[in-house]
Amino acid sequence: QVQLVQSGAEVKKPGASVKVSCKVSGYTLTELSMHWVRQAPGKGLEWMGGFDPEDGETIYAQKFQGRVTMTEDTSTDTAYMELSSLRSEDTAVYYCATRPSWNDAFDIWGQGTMVTVSS
Amino acid sequence: QSVLTQPPSVSGAPGQRVTISCTGSSSNIGAGYDVHWYQQLPGTAPKLLIYGNSNRPSGVPDRFSGSKSGTSASLAISGLQAEDEADYYCQSYDSSLSGYVFGTGTKVTVL
Repeated sequence: QVQLVQSGAEVKKPGASVKVSCKVSGYTLTELSMHWVRQAPGKGLEWMGGFDPEDGETIYAQKFQGRVTMTEDTSTDTAYMELSSLRSEDTAVYYCATRPSWNDAFDIWGQGTMVTVSS
Repeated sequence: QSVLTQPPSVSGAPGQRVTISCTGSSSNIGAGYDVHWYQQLPGTAPKLLIYGNSNRPSGVPDRFSGSKSGTSASLAISGLQAEDEADYYCQSYDSSLSGYVFGTGTKVTVL
């Protein structure tokens, strides 16, 4: 059974960067396609990007290209999402979620990490 | 601004059947991409409810069913229960955006 455990809440100033981690247990990271989804307070879900097993590359939503970087440390089975040039609109809960190889639904989710951007 | 449109809210009495629509376009649902549905209880992470338009993961009650036709999809909840009160989101892939998209979300209220 795959479990995803994310790092704790963060408070950042505008213009700073944040790096959120997602630790995998029950499987190895290389067996999974990891994605990141965020949810602003009181708002809907927004896909940010993730690993595309068909192409073998990480793909990013157009909205975040140039500002987000998703990486993986296979030695610790931990995925990371770093968002730079933070602004108040980036205040949200950030989720990691896995996508199985046979469909493109997100079947396992982390508990979420609250990132607050405030001066 | 989401490319998949859902009604903001639906409600029903316990035991009733409610449906939630998810309207897309020719670059997502209409292009043949699968639709998936998620349930989000207050303060928790989303949970996969329906995948591949109409399939239920293990453990999801058969009260939940999904369908897809043309550029739209629907989630039906029959025998509505108090524990079904939550936000529901559809999700698909959009070829114009080259990425995944979520619906605007629907709040289900059990009267």
